[in-house]
Amino acid sequence: DIQMTQSPSSLSASVGDRVTITCRASQGISNYLAWYQQKPGKVPKLLIYAASTLESGVPSRFSGSGSGTDFTLTISSLQPEDVATYYCQKYNSAPYTFGQGTKLEIK
Amino acid sequence: QVQMQQSGPGLVKPSQTLSLTCAISGDSVSSNSAAWNWIRQSPSRGLEWLGRTYYRSKWYNDYAVSVKSRITVNPDTSKNQFSLQLNSVTPEDTAVYYCARAVAGKDGFDIWGQGTMVSVSS
Repeated sequence: DIQMTQSPSSLSASVGDRVTITCRASQGISNYLAWYQQKPGKVPKLLIYAASTLESGVPSRFSGSGSGTDFTLTISSLQPEDVATYYCQKYNSAPYTFGQGTKLEIK
Repeated sequence: QVQMQQSGPGLVKPSQTLSLTCAISGDSVSSNSAAWNWIRQSPSRGLEWLGRTYYRSKWYNDYAVSVKSRITVNPDTSKNQFSLQLNSVTPEDTAVYYCARAVAGKDGFDIWGQGTMVSVSS
C-alpha cells in the first residue's frame, strides 16, 4: 500500500505568516490528493481536492500544489481561526490512506 | 443540502459486532456518481479509511486490508442509508467512526457524518 507522510508533525507560526505543510506519497499518485482541516472536537473538512482545486467556500488564502509524490498545502497569511490539524489523503485507488496529520498552532 | 446522520451504539463488548448506520438526505445512496464511505479515527491509528459501497449499474464494495476479513458495508436503498458492520471487535477498534461521501470528479470526502464514538469494552 502507498504510504502518506506529512511534515512537519507540528508547527507554530504567527498571525500573518505564510505556512507550508508537505505531504509525500511513497509512490506516484498523479494529482489524486485531498487536504482536510480538522479543528478540535470537530469533523474533518475538505479544503482542497485534485491537489490544487479549492473546495467551495474555502478561503483563498489556502492553496495546494504538487503532483506525483510531493505535495504542499500553503496558507498565505495565517489567521487565528486556522488553528487545526491538517491531513492529506490520497484517492487514486483503494485504500484511501491519510497522512498522520500536522498540528498547527499560533505563536 | 446533503446531510449524513449516523446512528448506533457507543459501547460494544469484545468479540461482538459493531453496527452503525448512516442516513443520507439530499442525495441518493444509489447515485451513479457518489461513493459512501466509513472512516475511523483514534489517537493510535489516526484517520483510517475502512471501506465503501457505491453503485455503477451494480453494487460494488472496497475494503481496507486491515479489516477486510471482518467488515461489511451495505446499502439500504429503501431507507436511503448505508451501514457498517465490524465483527469480532477488540479494544483496538475503539475509535470515532465517521461516514462520508465522495463524489466523482472531486473524490475527496466532501460531506461527513457527525461521528460516533465507539468504545470496545466489557
